[in-house]
Amino acid sequence: GENVEQHPSTLSVQEGDSAVIKCTYSDSASNYFPWYKQELGKGPQLIIDIRSNVGEKKDQRIAVTLNKTAKHFSLHITETQPEDSAVYFCAPKVGAAGNKLTFGGGTRVLVKP
Amino acid sequence: NAGVTQTPKFQVLKTGQSMTLQCAQDMNHNSMYWYRQDPGMGLRLIYYSASEGTTDKGEVPNGYNVSRLNKREFSLRLESAAPSQTSVYFCASTLGGTGGGNTEAFFGQGTRLTVV
Repeated sequence: GENVEQHPSTLSVQEGDSAVIKCTYSDSASNYFPWYKQELGKGPQLIIDIRSNVGEKKDQRIAVTLNKTAKHFSLHITETQPEDSAVYFCAPKVGAAGNKLTFGGGTRVLVKP
Repeated sequence: NAGVTQTPKFQVLKTGQSMTLQCAQDMNHNSMYWYRQDPGMGLRLIYYSASEGTTDKGEVPNGYNVSRLNKREFSLRLESAAPSQTSVYFCASTLGGTGGGNTEAFFGQGTRLTVV
């Protein structure tokens, strides 16, 4: 099965600075790479995803970059704001339908005003 | 448009009691999942159902059973609750099926379970 690791486990940044979270995975067949954000008391929600035929994707202040050779992908948040404070999870997935959905251990991001 | 609905939202059980957590989705998704999340921890997969009529164990299945009642509903049962099962439980669903493997997971709001 997929072995997923996230680093760092906690990240504290000053408002306006950038934050980067890295996710490494073990299954070279993985071809879908999403990032989820979990706010306090809620379930995780997808914020951005990328597929294996694309190296980078941006959506306003967030971006995801993929290095399939090295088997890792990263979440980049620029110009951080207090509402970016949350726990972020990666969940790389092998494409075949029905495979397990395994999440990384999570990264707690705190944006200090 | 409810998405994924879990009931109950909160529950307190005594050790040894049983209960069933309910989950229903209205997005015509094929795959459904149950996770537990302990304080400060990530999401650990308990069981999942790739499609109606199938269920498989995840990372932490001991002490739990599941039923995929129909395409919409996937329940999680604790037969004899233990304090170690105190956690927040999340149900999720994905489109799954042929061609639908790489799609967004939708989560319910969670069930906070305390076993005393």
